[in-house]
Amino acid sequence: NAGVTQTPKFQVLKTGQSMTLQCAQDMNHEYMSWYRQDPGMGLRLIHYSVGAGITDQGEVPNGYNVSRSTTEDFPLRLLSAAPSQTSVYFCASSYALAGGSLTNTGELFFGEGSRLTVL
Amino acid sequence: DQQVKQNSPSLSVQEGRISILNCDYTNSMFDYFLWYKKYPAEGPTFLISISSIKDKNEDGRFTVFLNKSAKHLSLHIVPSQPGDSAVYFCAAESGTYKYIFGTGTRLKVLA
Repeated sequence: NAGVTQTPKFQVLKTGQSMTLQCAQDMNHEYMSWYRQDPGMGLRLIHYSVGAGITDQGEVPNGYNVSRSTTEDFPLRLLSAAPSQTSVYFCASSYALAGGSLTNTGELFFGEGSRLTVL
Repeated sequence: DQQVKQNSPSLSVQEGRISILNCDYTNSMFDYFLWYKKYPAEGPTFLISISSIKDKNEDGRFTVFLNKSAKHLSLHIVPSQPGDSAVYFCAAESGTYKYIFGTGTRLKVLA
């Protein structure tokens, strides 16, 4: 059981380049999300999705795009990378109740992270 | 504006003693709280949670206490073990599908 798989684990970009961080889960979770972790800032929600074809913004969405064409995959796109996007990125998934709560299990399953450096 | 605060960036505790990690929040509408543990180069993993209808939840060596009037929760680890050395994040459910995380506390358990 692979859980949540993120690729790549490490990436170095130049300012202005574009790239996509991949995230896949094999637990048939409806809910998927992307967080970034920065020193002294904790984990901040970038975008999330409650099912295929549905996405919404989190706390820090600027500079990032997402799409959800399948239940399994939730890629995060940086269209024009900036040094401020240097961070560790985590994808997370969970069950989601129809009522909109994540509290049936109280648990997000995280990937191992992708460390991105923008020069 | 940090809605979930972990004011202690780090904590050191002797093996076998109690570790107490604290978390404060500002929004009284938060009704579900979780603790996650993170080792270096790994993703966070779920540890324990508590609903606002409770004031305590236990799971083995881990107990979470919630004081709604003070908007404060704490995680107690008894007894602490060297394998507990990690960064601990508290999180609060902020409306539908959104968790707000604190900045984390690095726990070091000394053998």
